[in-house]
Amino acid sequence: ETGVTQTPRHLVMGMTNKKSLKCEQHLGHNAMYWYKQSAKKPLELMFVYNFKEQTENNSVPSRFSPECPNSSHLFLHLHTLQPEDSALYLCASSQSDSPYYEQYFGPGTRLTVT
Amino acid sequence: AQKVTQAQTEISVVEKEDVTLDCVYETRDTTYYLFWYKQPPSGELVFLIRRNSFDEQNEISGRYSWNFQKSTSSFNFTITASQVVDSAVYFCALSGDNNNDMRFGAGTRLTVKP
Repeated sequence: ETGVTQTPRHLVMGMTNKKSLKCEQHLGHNAMYWYKQSAKKPLELMFVYNFKEQTENNSVPSRFSPECPNSSHLFLHLHTLQPEDSALYLCASSQSDSPYYEQYFGPGTRLTVT
Repeated sequence: AQKVTQAQTEISVVEKEDVTLDCVYETRDTTYYLFWYKQPPSGELVFLIRRNSFDEQNEISGRYSWNFQKSTSSFNFTITASQVVDSAVYFCALSGDNNNDMRFGAGTRLTVKP
């Protein structure tokens, strides 16, 4: 595997379910990110981790819970979501959270909340 | 506050036409970085170019070229002799003193017809 991978690629869940999204990067990077991409809205940064430490929580509701056990893996735990949370969730990584470095993105998880 | 505006929501051209995607940004930072990403139907954003605020030199890479003008706060992207494979959503992004604050434009959907 190369680059940034995300699983699952598609997820349908009810509002009372609990599920997790997984992201893995094979680039040796130290920073990882979660973004939400909704239709007709710019990408919204949700969380940033640098060297496994969370450095940004962009006013995200507590029903989204990130976990970064090491620099290569990032999870997004979901519980009691709302239909408006349906979106494409993108994971990205970069060498560090310095503004200089470009981010490398995974293919995303298409989440539908019913 | 940082802001990126991509006024063109959708553009449709015929193969071999040249096309320019506009990007206008706002920032109070003196040091900042501008990026272009391509999002093909597969979903992952692909990094195309980074330009820092102190380097106004235009860049050409094959059929792609970028025009950075600080005087008009613009970072436009031109595809010469477009091809069907160029069909994608293109995002302009801006990061300032802290990459945690990377802002993406709303994106421009480019369709290149054969």
